[in-house]
Amino acid sequence: AQTVTQSQPEMSVQEAETVTLSCTYDTSENNYYLFWYKQPPSRQMILVIRQEAYKQQNATENRFSVNFQKAAKSFSLKISDSQLGDTAMYFCAFYQWDNYGQNFVFGPGTRLSVLP
Amino acid sequence: ETGVTQTPRHLVMGMTNKKSLKCEQHLGHNAMYWYKQSAKKPLELMFVYSLEERVENNSVPSRFSPECPNSSHLFLHLHTLQPEDSALYLCASSQEGRPYYGYTFGSGTRLTVV
Repeated sequence: AQTVTQSQPEMSVQEAETVTLSCTYDTSENNYYLFWYKQPPSRQMILVIRQEAYKQQNATENRFSVNFQKAAKSFSLKISDSQLGDTAMYFCAFYQWDNYGQNFVFGPGTRLSVLP
Repeated sequence: ETGVTQTPRHLVMGMTNKKSLKCEQHLGHNAMYWYKQSAKKPLELMFVYSLEERVENNSVPSRFSPECPNSSHLFLHLHTLQPEDSALYLCASSQEGRPYYGYTFGSGTRLTVV
């Protein structure tokens, strides 16, 4: 079974600085997607960034970028120029599907606090 | 506007009450999900509906009863709950066959069982 691990339960960063959240996963599959979701105090889970496993190029969305290391099964999220609004829980998620169904697995989350 | 709307936002109910949570999506998706989010625990998948048919039930107690009358609406009927059922219940939707887009979540219903 696939698993997703986030080894940092909590992190903090000063406003305008850069922070990296780690995520590792375990799978024997070759085709899958990886996601980072953000859950602010408003509670809604918001998709931050996605990565297709067959693409070697790391995904980037404005201040958010990933470091995808497929062989190491690592998928870290880098937030540049941190803003107060980035304070939230961040969940790494793995998505895989085949003829038998789909499997969407979330990590336990990392609570990020951006300090003024 | 998230595209996935959940009501109510907060719910307090006694252990003998019957209540329902509602989820509505306006994205044209064909799959919907209920998740339970408890403090200090990973997200737990409860139910999966694909094309209005229930395809997965992760050993959820029978005091939780889902209903999916059409592809846009999903309900979670609650009865004789326990205090440990207090949690944030999240609804999500997706378009099967398009994994690139992931899941779209609602803002959840914060349930407190007293």
